[in-house]
Amino acid sequence: EAGVTQSPTHLIKTRGQQATLRCSPISGHTSVYWYQQALGLGLQFLLWYDEGEERNRGNFPPRFSGRQFPNYSSELNVNALELEDSALYLCASSLAFRRETYNSPLHFGNGTRLTVT
Amino acid sequence: KQEVTQIPAALSVPEGENLVLNCSFTDSAIYNLQWFRQDPGKGLTSLLLIQSSQREQTSGRLNASLDKSSGRSTLYIAASQPGDSATYLCVCRRRGGSEKLVFGKGTKLTVNP
Repeated sequence: EAGVTQSPTHLIKTRGQQATLRCSPISGHTSVYWYQQALGLGLQFLLWYDEGEERNRGNFPPRFSGRQFPNYSSELNVNALELEDSALYLCASSLAFRRETYNSPLHFGNGTRLTVT
Repeated sequence: KQEVTQIPAALSVPEGENLVLNCSFTDSAIYNLQWFRQDPGKGLTSLLLIQSSQREQTSGRLNASLDKSSGRSTLYIAASQPGDSATYLCVCRRRGGSEKLVFGKGTKLTVNP
């Protein structure tokens, strides 16, 4: 069974550009989470999608946005890139957020390393 | 608002030593707590998930315990090896919450040969 896959592995952009990061969850998983991990810092919650809907977002500016497609893959878009957006962006997936699946584990991809110059 | 604290922030031990990593959380209304390891520049690898109704879970040399009433979980690593060197993180899944899945900042473990 394939795990969570993220692409690209590395992405280099210049300040002001836009970046698009992609995530494919494990087959059967409909919940997707996005996290930012800046160098030396902890994981900061960005977005949560569940069965196609955005369920929650973290304390990030509106230029961080995303969506979830009908096949439950997800895309994170960062507009007007700033130097401090340089970080490892991690995607995780799990089964849908329902009573019978609350205890399903979270699985992470290997991340996309975004560098803004 | 859930807050998760991991102590110590860093730990260095000689190979073969048994060790304990700690995770504290402020909101005890959780479904489960999950432990991960993260190697430098990589994603997170799931180690153990312990449900709120359970007291402990074991996998090989790893044992995780959960005391919901005191808001604590521990990860016990037996007979540590250099390959155990990584950052260990814990995360709680809250009941009826916003599902932000708040992570601790992690404990960076170094096992010296």
